Amino acid sequence: EVQLLESGGGLVQPGGSLRLSCAASGFTFSSYAMNWVRPAPGKGLEWVSLISGSGDTTYYADSVKGRFTISRDNSKNTLYLQMNGLRAEDTAIYYCAKGASITGYNYFDYWGQGTLVTVSS
Amino acid sequence: QLVLTQSPSASASLGASVKLTCTLSSGHSSYAIAWHQQQPEKGPRYLMKLNSDGSHNKGDGIPDRFSGSRSGAERYLTISSLQSEDEADYYCQTWGTGVVFGGGTKLTVL
Repeated sequence: EVQLLESGGGLVQPGGSLRLSCAASGFTFSSYAMNWVRPAPGKGLEWVSLISGSGDTTYYADSVKGRFTISRDNSKNTLYLQMNGLRAEDTAIYYCAKGASITGYNYFDYWGQGTLVTVSS
Repeated sequence: QLVLTQSPSASASLGASVKLTCTLSSGHSSYAIAWHQQQPEKGPRYLMKLNSDGSHNKGDGIPDRFSGSRSGAERYLTISSLQSEDEADYYCQTWGTGVVFGGGTKLTVL
């Protein structure tokens, strides 16, 4: 059974940093791209970032480019999102999502339950 | 620009059927999409991938009550024999030079 379990969310001040983790199980982690997604107020869901199965290719939404860094440790079956320069508009539940292929953009076939990030002073 | 458009809300009675629509932007009518369900207080759940030829690949454990179809640039999710647990937000997703989600449809089961 595929499971994705996010952690690391919390309350952080504007300009602060936070690192999210997503522990994966039930599939060959290194064979699939992984993503982070968050809700966009009034706009549904917003894709945040993608990393290829090997970890050598990454993509970011314009809204987080230069502030967020996605990474993965295939030996630990874990996905990460380092969030720096946090803004109030980054407040959201962050979901990790498994891509349907090893690299490139694709649909998501499994999701985690999410971890809440609140940016406030 | 690749955009997905969904109606913000829909409603149907318990035991009835409902058809949700996701419309691809001009020039993108051949794209595949995926449908996801998000029940209250839960993470999203993958329902199916709807291919450009109308065939679909369902996620694990998705009941036969959920089906997909297409017509031109429109992609449909039909839920039959509605149950109370089908009350949720439904999102379509597509991908190309990025990943795009529709705004979601909030389904109310009356």
